[in-house]
Amino acid sequence: GAVVSQHPSWVICKSGTSVKIECRSLDFQATTMFWYRQFPKQSLMLMATSNEGSKATYEQGVEKDKFLINHASLTLSTLTVTSAHPEDSSFYICSARDKLAGNIENEQFFGPGTRLTVL
Amino acid sequence: KQEVTQIPAALSVPEGENLVLNCSFTDSAIYNLQWFRQDPGKGLTSLLLIQSSQREQTSGRLNASLDKSSGRSTLYIAASQPGDSATYLCAVKKGNYQLIWGAGTKLIIKP
Repeated sequence: GAVVSQHPSWVICKSGTSVKIECRSLDFQATTMFWYRQFPKQSLMLMATSNEGSKATYEQGVEKDKFLINHASLTLSTLTVTSAHPEDSSFYICSARDKLAGNIENEQFFGPGTRLTVL
Repeated sequence: KQEVTQIPAALSVPEGENLVLNCSFTDSAIYNLQWFRQDPGKGLTSLLLIQSSQREQTSGRLNASLDKSSGRSTLYIAASQPGDSATYLCAVKKGNYQLIWGAGTKLIIKP
């Protein structure tokens, strides 16, 4: 199946700093990428949906100025957590929808996730 | 508002046993329901997808059922193996792309 990578797999940063997480589709072009956040023992929560070349659509309650999403190419989306605080510590997962998925519903491929710890 | 619940949160069984994982949802107006597997350090893997018009799907030792009217789905795993140890997530689809997720069941198969 299609492969989605994330970098880094884990990161520890100081409060107030910014952290960038990359999501790449390795063997397919992704017109749409999704960013999720997962707190321990909780559900994945969709943060935003990004389409290549356009602004991301954020879910209610997600601060777009804090979580900057850039989807500059068909194979790369980045999530930047700005001025990170301990409450931002979480597991961030991206997924990508194959450009050629056509009518294949839910054909999302998921990255391995990035564990962010803010001290 | 759609809510998805998975019970139990964790399950530990000896190798070889058959087991059932449960998923319930509050709004029966779903497009489809999907079961995923989540392994530490790896991405989510889609196991089975059941369209709203279907009642079950099978893949190998896995069988997933869907009862929309009661808002329930089950994932049946036959002859469990240690390699089945993972967290199993169910997600229902509403609208276009959005998936509503359960919190998962952490499954441990003891050799």
